Amino acid sequence: AQSVAQPEDQVNVAEGNPLTVKCTYSVSGNPYLFWYVQYPNRGLQFLLKYITGDNLVKGSYGFEAEFNKSQTSFHLKKPSALVSDSALYFCAVRDMSGGYNKLIFGAGTRLAVHP
Amino acid sequence: ETGVTQSPTHLIKTRGQQVTLRCSSQSGHNTVSWYQQALGQGPQFIFQYYREEENGRGNFPPRFSGLQFPNYSSELNVNALELDDSALYLCASSSQGPLHFGNGTRLTVT
Repeated sequence: AQSVAQPEDQVNVAEGNPLTVKCTYSVSGNPYLFWYVQYPNRGLQFLLKYITGDNLVKGSYGFEAEFNKSQTSFHLKKPSALVSDSALYFCAVRDMSGGYNKLIFGAGTRLAVHP
Repeated sequence: ETGVTQSPTHLIKTRGQQVTLRCSSQSGHNTVSWYQQALGQGPQFIFQYYREEENGRGNFPPRFSGLQFPNYSSELNVNALELDDSALYLCASSSQGPLHFGNGTRLTVT
């Protein structure tokens, strides 16, 4: 079965510093991986996806993610964090079992960016 | 381009009651999925509708049911509500790209 794990419940970073939010995956076949962000009392907003191609994927709001097949990881990164980046971040993998698409989400990582 | 809209935003129900949640999909999207997000957890897949038929279902009991209409809007119905059904219910629509989520309906069962 497809799964993702987010090993950190919370990540704290100072504004202006680089940030990393970790995600590891377990899949059979080629992984289709996603990052979503959730602000308080809101739904999930799509940030970026990896399907194939370059291991460094660029997304919305200056975020990027690095796909590493040997380490089965898909970490979210940003060179310089903003206070407004504080939110809940979810990694997800596409699951095609049953002949239809669905996303399997991790438990989420809360990012807190301090001024 | 109109995004995914859900109604109501908040709802309080009593154990044993029934509830209907509504979702209007993003323009041009013919597939609608529903997810349940319990407090402190990631969203979990409930089911998916394509062309008015359920074509995929997660590990949820039959008292969770749904509909999709010709205009691709959708409903999620939950019968015999239990306390553990308290959660944020998210609707997502898609065509061939990534899922686009609505802001959700916060359901509280007392």
